[in-house]
Amino acid sequence: EAGVAQSPRYKIIEKRQSVAFWCNPISGHATLYWYQQILGQGPKLLIQFQNNGVVDDSQLPKDRFSAERLKGVDSTLKIQPAKLEDSAVYLCASTSGGGGPSYEQYFGPGTRLTVT
Amino acid sequence: AQSVSQHNHHVILSEAASLELGCNYSYGGTVNLFWYVQYPGQHLQLLLKYFSGDPLVKGIKGFEAEFIKSKFSFNLRKPSVQWSDTAEYFCAVKANDYKLSFGAGTTVTVRA
Repeated sequence: EAGVAQSPRYKIIEKRQSVAFWCNPISGHATLYWYQQILGQGPKLLIQFQNNGVVDDSQLPKDRFSAERLKGVDSTLKIQPAKLEDSAVYLCASTSGGGGPSYEQYFGPGTRLTVT
Repeated sequence: AQSVSQHNHHVILSEAASLELGCNYSYGGTVNLFWYVQYPGQHLQLLLKYFSGDPLVKGIKGFEAEFIKSKFSFNLRKPSVQWSDTAEYFCAVKANDYKLSFGAGTTVTVRA
């Protein structure tokens, strides 16, 4: 079974530029998550999708971050404009079912973003 | 919102030594508990999980964890580590909101 795919793996941009990350979850997984992992910290949830609907985006800085999952499969996360403090690894995860307690989240390899 | 504390930032030990990583959480209700591991260059993967029942859970690669409800703890243990256990370990908690909250992680370095 193929895992969660993410691209690009690495991205370096200057502050105030825009960037987009792509995620392809495990086939058939209805729930998709984006996390931000700043160096020295654990992953922090940014947004959760159930199929193509947003379940929770309370931690997403909506003035600069946006995410979509148009057909309920792939997802993109965008930052515009980027700030220095956005330097982090952006992780995508997916799970079957509704994201309840008994469902394991499977993580992708992440995209390491450096903002200079 | 719940918070998760991992006691050690970096642990260095020799092969065959015993390992114990501390994890405490702050939430009074029902919780589901997890330990994730990230080996160098690899993605996060589940090591073990606790939902209910026997508070001593066994995971992959000889790891186990004990849930002590009265102490709000879920410590990870391995009796004898190997060089291949070098990795970053994350404790995580799911409460009623079903959000996965992670600790800051512990880097474990095993010297051959």
